[in-house]
Formats: sequence, structure tokens, C-alpha cells
Amino acid sequence: DTGVSQDPRHKITKRGQNVTFRCDPISEHNRLYWYRQTLGQGPEFLTYFQNEAQLEKSRLLSDRFSAERPKGSFSTLEIQRTEQGDSAMYLCASSLGGWNEQFFGPGTRLTVL
Amino acid sequence: EDKVVQSPLSLVVHEGDTVTLNCSYEVTNFRSLLWYKQEKKAPTFLFMLTSSGIEKKSGRLSSILDKKELSSILNITATQTGDSAIYLCAVAAITQGGSEKLVFGKGTKLTVNP
Repeated sequence: DTGVSQDPRHKITKRGQNVTFRCDPISEHNRLYWYRQTLGQGPEFLTYFQNEAQLEKSRLLSDRFSAERPKGSFSTLEIQRTEQGDSAMYLCASSLGGWNEQFFGPGTRLTVL
Repeated sequence: EDKVVQSPLSLVVHEGDTVTLNCSYEVTNFRSLLWYKQEKKAPTFLFMLTSSGIEKKSGRLSSILDKKELSSILNITATQTGDSAIYLCAVAAITQGGSEKLVFGKGTKLTVNP
């Protein structure tokens, strides 16, 4: 499968724990995006990378959130000291170049108890 | 603040009906408007509309961008049960910092009954 992949698909954690999600974009895509989606809402932009450079971060991305794309390929999104309000679907997308179509991964559903 | 508003939020029709979904936007430095279909998983791309391509068509789906009215419509003719999904509208815009972002609406949940 050459699409965008995310791991894990589901994560249940207790409040206060740290979690890390991984996204593997389509191999030739230089742009990688992270979004958060809650029930009844559209995806909300969190951050994006062009190659290994993080070019934009949303105000939604508090200091408990950090994202990396160290070699310009896969990316990780870490949430420290999780809160119940962090429960959501975390979507990753990739694209080639500018604002061409973004291909989305299946998402990681996070539940914070 | 940039925003994208979709209407209606939900719609129930019978197979064979034609539906029109609406999307209006208020963003600075508009670049393009995209439509996605979201079933139980991740959004899948349908169309991208820009100033140089304001109308797109693919099979029973078509979309038009009205830059004057800052809006777009997505039409689906002869609907099928497989069209049941959430349809998301997103607008690509330039941020104050010069970067780019995609702003999504809340989506329209379409249910097509047999």
C-alpha cells in the first residue's frame, strides 16, 4: 500500500500520560500536515512540514504538543501530560509541492480517560 | 479570523434525488477551494477549484466556485446509497506569516436512503 499510513490506529490512555503518534507519508511527497478532528467538526489544522522544516504551527498546538520530521520522511506527533480534551482523531496528510490535493491517512483515534 | 461555513449540516434524500451542498468562506489571501468526501475514515479528495479552474466535473459530481460571492456548490445527481458520507469543504489560504493553511468547514452529512 503506497498511501499515507498512521500508527497506531487507536490509542487509549490515562490522563497525564504521554502519547506519540507516527505518520508515514507517500514517499515522494515533501509536505506533511497534522490535523485534529472532533465529532461533528471538520479537521482543524495543527502544523505542517516542508521536508524536515516545520513551517507553520496553529494556536491549537499548545506547548504540550510537539511534532517532528527529522529526516523529511516520517513524522511524529507527541502529546505530553494528556488531558481529556485531547481526545480526538488525529489525521496526517501529505502532498507534493504546494496546495495540491492532500492525501489523508486513516487517522489515530485518541481516547483520554 | 478565517472561516468556512457549510450548509446544510445534514441532509437526508432518497436514491435518485439530486442534491446541492453549499460552502461559503471568509479568508484572507484565498488560494483554492477543495472538496473532500469522508466516510468512516479519512477524507478522500474530490475536487480542487482555483481562479483558473472554477468548474469541475467527475461523473455524477460537479462543483462550481463563485469568487464574487465567496462560495462554492457541490452537486450530486442521481444519488446512490454509496454517496452517503460527510462532505467537507476546505479553503487554502495564506497566513499572516506567509505560510499556507487549509481551513475546513464542519461538513455536510449526506444520507441517501434506498
